[in-house]
Amino acid sequence: GQNIDQPTEMTATEGAIVQINCTYQTSGFNGLFWYQQHAGEAPTFLSYNVLDGLEEKGRFSSFLSRSKGYSYLLLKELQMKDSASYLCAVRFSGGSYIPTFGRGTSLIVHP
Amino acid sequence: DSGVTQTPKHLITATGQRVTLRCSPRSGDLSVYWYQQSLDQGLQFLIQYYNGEERAKGNILERFSAQQFPDLHSELNLSSLELGDSALYFCASSVDGGPQRGYTFGSGTRLTVV
Repeated sequence: GQNIDQPTEMTATEGAIVQINCTYQTSGFNGLFWYQQHAGEAPTFLSYNVLDGLEEKGRFSSFLSRSKGYSYLLLKELQMKDSASYLCAVRFSGGSYIPTFGRGTSLIVHP
Repeated sequence: DSGVTQTPKHLITATGQRVTLRCSPRSGDLSVYWYQQSLDQGLQFLIQYYNGEERAKGNILERFSAQQFPDLHSELNLSSLELGDSALYFCASSVDGGPQRGYTFGSGTRLTVV
């Protein structure tokens, strides 16, 4: 299968740093996305990784290790508005390259 | 505004009925993707159209169908509706030539079957 695993829920404190992990089956891997989704709203694109390493974009960074089938999204200087669901999605060559989404990690940021 | 327009935003209908959801992709995007999101399943890919032709199929039920028109807007038809079809239905479109800018989602249609 193309299981994509993320923790269901995480909590963190405003101003802190949080790391959201995602693991996936490595066979046929062709790119990984992170999306942010506030309740009842559309997912919005955060990052795309296809090569190993860290991509930094403001307060958000995304890391990929293709050999380990592992990615993480790092959120720094957390703000209350970062409370949302974070979706990891992977493109597989056997799946017409359509992103397969994990179930998402619900992040709760408290004061 | 993401540039992907979905209508209607909300839809309440009875079991056994048929509904049509509409999506206009972002200007210049040729690909349209339909996803279903329910509380227990997450985002599930249904179907993709590219420039009017079906490109890929996911977990789409036989009661569901879609098409993309010459002006590139797309419609998702859901028939013989069941309570379990209640969900958020998202349309997304993508830039040709690569996924680096991601797939842009519309704001969704919330379907409630009663």
